[in-house]
Amino acid sequence: SQTIHQWPATLVQPVGSPLSLECTVEGTSNPNLYWYRQAAGRGLQLLFYSVGIGQISSEVPQNLSASRPQDRQFILSSKKLLLSDSGFYLCAWSVRASRFPNTEAFFGQGTRLTVV
Amino acid sequence: DAKTTQPTSMDCAEGRAANLPCNHSTISGNEYVYWYRQIHSQGPQYIIHGLKNNETNEMASLIITEDRKSSTLILPHATLRDTAVYYCIVRTLNRDDKIIFGKGTRLHILP
Repeated sequence: SQTIHQWPATLVQPVGSPLSLECTVEGTSNPNLYWYRQAAGRGLQLLFYSVGIGQISSEVPQNLSASRPQDRQFILSSKKLLLSDSGFYLCAWSVRASRFPNTEAFFGQGTRLTVV
Repeated sequence: DAKTTQPTSMDCAEGRAANLPCNHSTISGNEYVYWYRQIHSQGPQYIIHGLKNNETNEMASLIITEDRKSSTLILPHATLRDTAVYYCIVRTLNRDDKIIFGKGTRLHILP
């Protein structure tokens, strides 16, 4: 069966420090991968998505970047964190909808990031 | 932008059916409607999805109008554990395959 791992669960970082959040998927190949952010009391904002290794699409200009060095690994990074980067970060995966539209997305348990 | 609109919040008495509406008037013919819910501080959980026929599973029922411009998620016997934010999304089938969430409906189950 497929599983998604996201870590760490919580993180407190000072302003100006770097960030690296990692997400890995097991039990599938060539998944679509997604990073979302949820500010306190707000909805899910799509940050980045990837349909293949090295293929990253950004939805919102911001202080963050994403990379996909391996098929089932998706990394969210920042060189210098801002206070506004605080939030709940979620990774998700799905199979390609254009080929399999009848399947859902699966989410990790999230990382709660507090920038102080 | 999200292709769906939902009420911001709803209340439902415990034990009653919760009916959550969603408008998706610009949906394309081959796009599916998906419902997820997010309990506080957790990742979204898949509930159900459909194309044009009504669907039912162990969690909920999904009623899609004939013109597919709206749908209703039905939780037949709501419990306190169903208190969550419910998201209705339309799955795009383009090559980019984005999954965009709207603001969802915050459902409060009242004891």
